[in-house]
Amino acid sequence: GAGVSQSPSNKVTEKGKDVELRCDPISGHTALYWYRQSLGQGLEFLIYFQGNSAPDKSGLPSDRFSAERTGGSVSTLTIQRTQQEDSAVYLCASSSRLGGGGTQYFGPGTRLTVL
Amino acid sequence: AQTVTQSQPEMSVQEAETVTLSCTYDTSENNYYLFWYKQPPSRQMILVIRQEAYKQQNATENRFSVNFQKAAKSFSLKISDSQLGDTAMYFCAFMKLNNAGNMLTFGGGTRLMVKP
Repeated sequence: GAGVSQSPSNKVTEKGKDVELRCDPISGHTALYWYRQSLGQGLEFLIYFQGNSAPDKSGLPSDRFSAERTGGSVSTLTIQRTQQEDSAVYLCASSSRLGGGGTQYFGPGTRLTVL
Repeated sequence: AQTVTQSQPEMSVQEAETVTLSCTYDTSENNYYLFWYKQPPSRQMILVIRQEAYKQQNATENRFSVNFQKAAKSFSLKISDSQLGDTAMYFCAFMKLNNAGNMLTFGGGTRLMVKP
């Protein structure tokens, strides 16, 4: 079946603007994760959604970052008032609660560049 | 909190030879999963192999195998008969085991270059 998809593939924005990044998980996967990959910080967990439970937001670096997941499927990560340090690749992953033992499957990522 | 350490930032190997990538981790958990992911220049993170901590037998997937030493908290990846397509960043990752799944904690990565 189709894998995790993310859009846009690349996004260039100006400092201070808001951006929205989208993730479409694998159909039927109940868990969805956002990670950030940057040169200085490596791969960092941002936020986790599991079914209808309240999301685990413990990895969000500031209140400029937020995410939602509508209908238990598509997720949008929003960064408000972008800063240059937000430049990174944003990766989304999904996993199935049943089977696969929690293995996370990743999308191709969105490269965000803040000028 | 968990930490994952990959002590080899870069490695190279000749095509058809064998290479081992190192990974150590620190945790107080007893039940967890360990993973190796590959990230080629395309940026897509691809699962290579997975090990459940409760299993004593080392996982294998074709040319890829692990040496899992739970007491030593070591989880190395062996790639046999290296191929040019194995050139990529390799990340070791830890996941605490619970009913709902959990976030991955990644090591810093090892850049592997397979030379013809």
